[in-house]
Amino acid sequence: SQTIHQWPATLVQPVGSPLSLECTVEGTSNPNLYWYRQAAGRGLQLLFYSVGIGQISSEVPQNLSASRPQDRQFILSSKKLLLSDSGFYLCAWSVSGDTEAFFGQGTRLTVV
Amino acid sequence: QKEVEQNSGPLSVPEGAIASLNCTYSDRGSQSFFWYRQYSGKSPELIMSIYSNGDKEDGRFTAQLNKASQYVSLLIRDSQPSDSATYLCAVKGWAGTALIFGKGTTLSVSS
Repeated sequence: SQTIHQWPATLVQPVGSPLSLECTVEGTSNPNLYWYRQAAGRGLQLLFYSVGIGQISSEVPQNLSASRPQDRQFILSSKKLLLSDSGFYLCAWSVSGDTEAFFGQGTRLTVV
Repeated sequence: QKEVEQNSGPLSVPEGAIASLNCTYSDRGSQSFFWYRQYSGKSPELIMSIYSNGDKEDGRFTAQLNKASQYVSLLIRDSQPSDSATYLCAVKGWAGTALIFGKGTTLSVSS
């Protein structure tokens, strides 16, 4: 069966520090991968999605970037965090096409 | 800009009642429609998917889709306190496009 791993579960980082969140999927090949952010009391905001290795689409201009170095690995990064980057970061995957997406457990990031 | 709209609520219903959650979307090219449930502090979990006009039933849940009206709904029959959560509507276009979420409707079921 397919599983998605996302870590860490919680993270407290100072303003201006770098960020690296990793997500890996097991049990499937060539998944569509997504990064979403959910700010407190807000909806899910799509940040990046990828349909294959090296193929990244950015939905919202910001100081975040994403990379997909391997088929089932998706990384969210920032060189310098802002207070506004605080939120609940969720990685998700789907088989492809029109199918549903499944979420990891999420990373709760607090920038202080 | 593709948008998915939901009434934020809270929607309050007594235990045993039917809860009705609604969602509209702006992109007429949308192909796939999903309902997720999110408990506080947790990640969303898939409840239902629907791809064609009409009703789709799964246990106590019924999803309804009307593409002409660009409208999706979720009915929860015999609501239980454990159904209290935020319900997210999600919409997807053609292959290669991303899943877009509404902001969610908070449901509260009182015992």
